[in-house]
Amino acid sequence: GENVEQHPSTLSVQEGDSAVIKCTYSDSASNYFPWYKQELGKRPQLIIDIRSNVGEKKDQRIAVTLNKTAKHFSLHITETQPEDSAVYFCAATPRDFGNEKLTFGTGTRLTIIP
Amino acid sequence: DTGVSQNPRHKITKRGQNVTFRCDPISEHNRLYWYRQTLGQGPEFLTYFQNEAQLEKSRLLSDRFSAERPKGSFSTLEIQRTEQGDSAMYLCASSQRIMNTEAFFGQGTRLTVV
Repeated sequence: GENVEQHPSTLSVQEGDSAVIKCTYSDSASNYFPWYKQELGKRPQLIIDIRSNVGEKKDQRIAVTLNKTAKHFSLHITETQPEDSAVYFCAATPRDFGNEKLTFGTGTRLTIIP
Repeated sequence: DTGVSQNPRHKITKRGQNVTFRCDPISEHNRLYWYRQTLGQGPEFLTYFQNEAQLEKSRLLSDRFSAERPKGSFSTLEIQRTEQGDSAMYLCASSQRIMNTEAFFGQGTRLTVV
């Protein structure tokens, strides 16, 4: 089955600087890679996703890059703000009928230092 | 909030008791997923439904766990003879296959077994 590793487990960044979180996956059949943000006591919420036919996707201050050959993908947050503080999870799935489950990484606790 | 709804939000039970959780997905979503999240970890897949059919079950789902989605709408997750190791956040998510949408998560049910 799929195995997703995520690094670092904790990350502290000065407000205004950039943050990068990296994930690797094992199943070459995986073709959908979402990133979820989870604030304390709240539900995980999708912030950005990427499909395997795309190498990079950007949404305002958030970007995700995918390297299918190396089986890794990364989340980039620029111009960080205090409200970016949360736990971020990467995930991967083949997203084929009958095999839809998301396999999550262990999470990165991001702290933005004012 | 018209998103995924889970009840109860919190449940404290004595070891050996049975508990049942309910999930109401977003109304037009035909896929429903159950995940379990322990402190400091990412959500772990338990099972998922396409309409009323249970298509996949994780080996994490021992024979003490059973999930149903009788009419393809709401779902229940029952844990029999609870153990302390069952203490976790149980998350439900839903998505729409045809539209290939993201999985939306509910707020979760936090189970504490004492």
